[in-house]
Amino acid sequence: EVQLVESGGGLVQPGRSLKLSCVASGFTFSNYGMNWIRQAPGKGLEWVAYISSGSSYIYYAETVKGRFTISRDNAKNTLYLQMTSLRSEDTALYYCARRNWVDYWGQGVMVTVSS
Amino acid sequence: DIQMTQSPASLSASPEEIVTITCQASQDIGNWLAWYQQKPGKSPQLLIYSATSLADGIPSRFSGSRSGTQYSLKISRLQVEDTGIYYCLQRYSNPPTFGGGTKLELK
Repeated sequence: EVQLVESGGGLVQPGRSLKLSCVASGFTFSNYGMNWIRQAPGKGLEWVAYISSGSSYIYYAETVKGRFTISRDNAKNTLYLQMTSLRSEDTALYYCARRNWVDYWGQGVMVTVSS
Repeated sequence: DIQMTQSPASLSASPEEIVTITCQASQDIGNWLAWYQQKPGKSPQLLIYSATSLADGIPSRFSGSRSGTQYSLKISRLQVEDTGIYYCLQRYSNPPTFGGGTKLELK
C-alpha cells in the first residue's frame, strides 16, 4: 500500500523558516517524481514544487521561487521542502504527492505563518 | 502560465442524475489533464488522467472527455458518496495549474 506521511508543520512567525518532510512507503520511491502541493484554508489547490526521481529536474511555482527548496533522499525514501522567508500567504495545508499525474497524496501537514 | 477555467463553481443534483463539470484551458494542452475528487476533510483522489483514462479503483460511472481545449468530467448515476469538490489539473507545461474547483452537493 502506497503511503506518504508528512511532518514538520506548525506555527511560525513571518520571516522565519520551516522544513517539511514526507516519508514514502509501499513503492520504489527512487523511481518517481514527487510534488508538494498546498491548500490554503477554505481555498483551492496550488502546486508548489516538483522534483524528478533523480533530482535532475526541479520546478517551483513563482510564488515560492527563491524562498522554498525541494529535495529528496532516495536512500531514506524521504522528500523535503525547506521553506524560508515565510509569509502569511504561505499558510496552508501542504501535501506531498507522487508523480506527474499526482496519483497518491499524503494526508497533509499544516503550516501557519503568523505573529 | 496556462489558465484552467472550471465551471460551474457549484452545483446541486439528485442521486441517479448525470452531472458534467468542465475545464477550459487557455491554450492547447493535448491530453495532459487530470481530474480529482476531494471529500470534506480528506486529501484529493485521482479520478481521471490523460483526459480520458480512469484511475485504478475508480467506479466506471466517472468518465472524462475532451473537445479541443475543453475538458469534461461526467458522473453518471450520481451517488451520495460523490459529494465533494472536483478539480482539474493540467500537466502540459510548468507550472502545473489547477482549476478553481466545483463543489458538488446532492439534493
